[in-house]
Amino acid sequence: LAKTTQPISMDSYEGQEVNITCSHNNIATNDYITWYQQFPSQGPRFIIQGYKTKVTNEVASLFIPADRKSSTLSLPRVSLSDTAVYYCLVGPLPFSGGYNKLIFGAGTRLAVHP
Amino acid sequence: DSGVTQTPKHLITATGQRVTLRCSPRSGDLSVYWYQQSLDQGLQFLIQYYNGEERAKGNILERFSAQQFPDLHSELNLSSLELGDSALYFCASSVDGGSTDTQYFGPGTRLTVL
Repeated sequence: LAKTTQPISMDSYEGQEVNITCSHNNIATNDYITWYQQFPSQGPRFIIQGYKTKVTNEVASLFIPADRKSSTLSLPRVSLSDTAVYYCLVGPLPFSGGYNKLIFGAGTRLAVHP
Repeated sequence: DSGVTQTPKHLITATGQRVTLRCSPRSGDLSVYWYQQSLDQGLQFLIQYYNGEERAKGNILERFSAQQFPDLHSELNLSSLELGDSALYFCASSVDGGSTDTQYFGPGTRLTVL
């Protein structure tokens, strides 16, 4: 199983760039890396997904080194509304017999201060 | 608003009882997922359905069961409830359940077992 390890919490200030790293040493060849954001008492919200190298969308960037044993979610210029829990998720392709091993990490609580 | 609806929002019941949680996926989504989130276990994948058929099973207890109906809504049945079943239960949906599919989460049902 590709278990993930993230920092329990991080603090930042408005306008700064935040990088959250997730370790997944046992990632399998067919595993994708996905990040979700969750506000209190709300369902998680998809942020970004990647397999290797770098992925960028309007919200964040995801950096994945060649060995894929870790990944870094980068949030540019955070605001107070980015205060949330961020989950790193590693999962295999569906219907391959491995999808039932989907595991959410413990999450990183990001606090953005004025 | 993700477009996924869940009812009820809150549910309080006693040990030994049975409850049913309901989920309506986003319009056009064929796959439904159920997750359990408790304070000590984090977000746990329970089960996935695709177009009415079970596709993947996670850490779902035998006391729990689910189904997806022809209109694509899904129900999660929890029986012989125990105190430890108290948690937030999230439903998510995606277009076709593929690994690169974005999962859209509902607002959750908070279950309290007394």
